[in-house]
Order: sequence, then structure tokens, then C-alpha cells
Amino acid sequence: GEDVEQSLFLSVREGDSSVINCTYTDSSSTYLYWYKQEPGAGLQLLTYIFSNMDMKQDQRLTVLLNKKDKHLSLRIADTQTGDSAIYFCADASSNTGKLIFGQGTTLQVKP
Amino acid sequence: DTAVSQTPKYLVTQMGNDKSIKCEQNLGHDTMYWYKQDSKKFLKIMFSYNNKELIINETVPNRFSPKSPDKAHLNLHINSLELGDSAVYFCASSPKVNSPLHFGNGTRLTVT
Repeated sequence: GEDVEQSLFLSVREGDSSVINCTYTDSSSTYLYWYKQEPGAGLQLLTYIFSNMDMKQDQRLTVLLNKKDKHLSLRIADTQTGDSAIYFCADASSNTGKLIFGQGTTLQVKP
Repeated sequence: DTAVSQTPKYLVTQMGNDKSIKCEQNLGHDTMYWYKQDSKKFLKIMFSYNNKELIINETVPNRFSPKSPDKAHLNLHINSLELGDSAVYFCASSPKVNSPLHFGNGTRLTVT
């Protein structure tokens, strides 16, 4: 079945760039998503990329997609303490739109 | 405010009870979902409805029954609650199938 994998933890210093990586197995993905979850809160859609794109930039966020290797990354430039959260990668099945989520990467930003 | 709203935010109940969680979206979306997030933060889809029609029904115990009275509402009823049902349940909606999901803030269910 479809699977999405992420590393569980990343720690960076304030002002540095953060790169969160994700791999997926579904060959029929149409969209890939990044969601952010702060403690005790719901999931906030950060950004998404269509599967025929290589890159998408949105202010401090850059998404890179390597479709051949089924690898997705999220780069956060100038990381701030407010960026501390769990970041989920998700892959959308082309048939049902069902999102398969990774385990989430906890980003810790140290002042 | 335009949003996906769930009630209640917290639900504490005893084993064996029956409970419901309500979800409403005023975004005009056609598709709604229920996801379960366990204690390790793992998110898994349970159900999805498109225009009131069930389109995704994952391997979920039949004690869980979704109901969509109209396309703006998707409620989740749980019978005979068990300890393992304790989790955060998220409702979500999307404009149509295979478009970005917008999540509610979750309902934390604790079964004692």
C-alpha cells in the first residue's frame, strides 16, 4: 500500500534554514502537501505542490519535489521560534483524494 | 468566520457509552472527511463523503458510523466506546475530491 516516511525530529538555531524531508511510494500521486500542527491545535495547510512541478516557493517556504526518487522536501528560510511545531508531509491518492500522512517531523527551534 | 468547526473540543466518557462528534463547514466544499490522530501523532483517514455520498470507508470498527445530513455537515457517532478509541478526531473538508484539505481544530476524546 501507499506509504509516506519522514524523519521524526529536527533541531535548528533561530535564523538558520530548516529542511524537512519526506519520501513516498505512491506512483499515482497528484498533489503532495505540507501541514503544520502546533501543540494542541489542528492541522494548518502550509503549502502544496502538484506532481508535475519540481519546485514551489512561497515567502520563506520552498518545496522541492523529485518525482523520480519520490522525495519531497520543505525548506524554511530564517527559521523563527514560532516555526516550532510538527510538520506533516502528505500524499494524495489520485483516485480518491485520500491523504496518506507521514509520521510528522517535530521541528525544534532554539533561540 | 469561514472554517471547519467541530464540537465538542473535549469529550471525556466512560467505556461502553455512545457519543457523537459534530462537524460543520461553511466553506461551500463538496467533500468532508474524518481523520483519527493517535497518541503518537499518527494520522489516519477513517471516512470521506462527497456530496453526502460515502466514498472512503477505511478499516474502521462498525461501532463508528458517520452521517452526512447535507454536504456542509459530517457527524461521527461512536457506539460502545473502548479505551483504544481515545484519540484526537479531526474533521476536514475540501472543495472537491483530490484538492487541498482544510482541517478543524480536533476533538480530543478520552475514554476511561
